[in-house]
Formats: sequence, C-alpha cells, structure tokens
Amino acid sequence: NAGVTQTPKFRVLKTGQSMTLLCAQDMNHEYMYWYRQDPGMGLRLIHYSVGEGTTAKGEVPDGYNVSRLKKQNFLLGLESAAPSQTSVYFCASKKTADNSPLHFGNGTRLTVT
Amino acid sequence: SQKIEQNSEALNIQEGKTATLTCNYTNYSPAYLQWYRQDPGRGPVFLLLIRENEKEKRKERLKVTFDTTLKQSLFHITASQPADSATYLCARGNYQLIWGAGTKLIIKP
Repeated sequence: NAGVTQTPKFRVLKTGQSMTLLCAQDMNHEYMYWYRQDPGMGLRLIHYSVGEGTTAKGEVPDGYNVSRLKKQNFLLGLESAAPSQTSVYFCASKKTADNSPLHFGNGTRLTVT
Repeated sequence: SQKIEQNSEALNIQEGKTATLTCNYTNYSPAYLQWYRQDPGRGPVFLLLIRENEKEKRKERLKVTFDTTLKQSLFHITASQPADSATYLCARGNYQLIWGAGTKLIIKP
C-alpha cells in the first residue's frame, strides 16, 4: 500500500496564478484533511471531508477550495495565489471519526512570489 | 479557545539518556492526546494516543503520561538514540485535531 500520496512535491507560483494539489489514499479511509504547516506554528486545518461528496471548512479556509468527488481523492485548489499562501501543505486521512490516528502524505512545498 | 503548547526550543539530549518532552493544553481536558513524530521533509507519523482516563501508555522505548490536574502530557523516550532525533508533535481532539508547534529533539552521540 502506498498510503497517502501527494502531488506535486514542490511548486512555485506567481501571485494570482491558480493550481490544484492532489491527495490520494489507498486505505479506504472515510475522513480526509488538508493542513498547512508554517514555521513556529502548529498544523492548521484548511478543509476536511467526512466522506465522498462532502467537504467542510476548517480553521483557515479563506483562499482555498476543495473537492472530494471520489472517496480516495481529495483536491485542494488555490484560485488566485497570494504570497501568504507560501507554506507546506499536508494531506491526511483517517478511518473513522473516533480516535483513530491520522495518516499523512509527505507534503507539497508551495512558494508564491 | 483551545490551545496546545509545546516547548519551541530544541531539546538536546545525550545518547542513552531519557528525553522528556512536554505538551500543555488550555481550557477543558481533551478526551485524547496524540503524539506524532515528524522528520525533515516528511509528514507526521503517529506514535501514541492516550485517553484522559489513562495515566500512562507505553510502546517499546516510548512512554506517554496524561495529567489532567496539571493539564499536561509528557512524552518520554528512554535509552535515546541519534535515530530518535526529529520533531515531536502533540495534538488534542477527535476528528478535528488542534496541534502544537512541535519540539525538535536532538540526540547527540
């Protein structure tokens, strides 16, 4: 099993450009999450999904959109990138709503100039 | 609001000694606290979970304690090795976790 796979690994965007980050999991997990990680701060939740076709806002959703058309995939979109969105983005998944652990991908490092 | 605080300063420990990392939380006690390890350029990896009604949890050289009076969890690595060098994150919550910023642990040979 590959676990959680994120693509791309690195990306540089200019202000105003758009892009989509892809997350795929092969563990048949119901819950999927997008986080951003910035120096000196904890992981912050952007959006999450509790199942195929459902999405919800997290702590810092502004400037991002998501879609979960298939259970195994969770896409994060930036419609008009801003320098404040320079960060490392992590996708994670978990089996159920209880205390089951999160499984993370290895992140996408995004720089917006 | 709920918060998780971890020591932002790196912790330097001599190989073979016990490393102890601290996670403090505010407001009400979480039902669970989770600990993860993160290596540079990688995503966090789950290590241990402790419930509020558990005082202690062990896994090989790892031990986690949960003190609801002090609002604190301690993470111990006994007989530490250079390979244990990483950043360790704690998180509280259920399906929406709140994360600490992590403590960088450096084990010196």
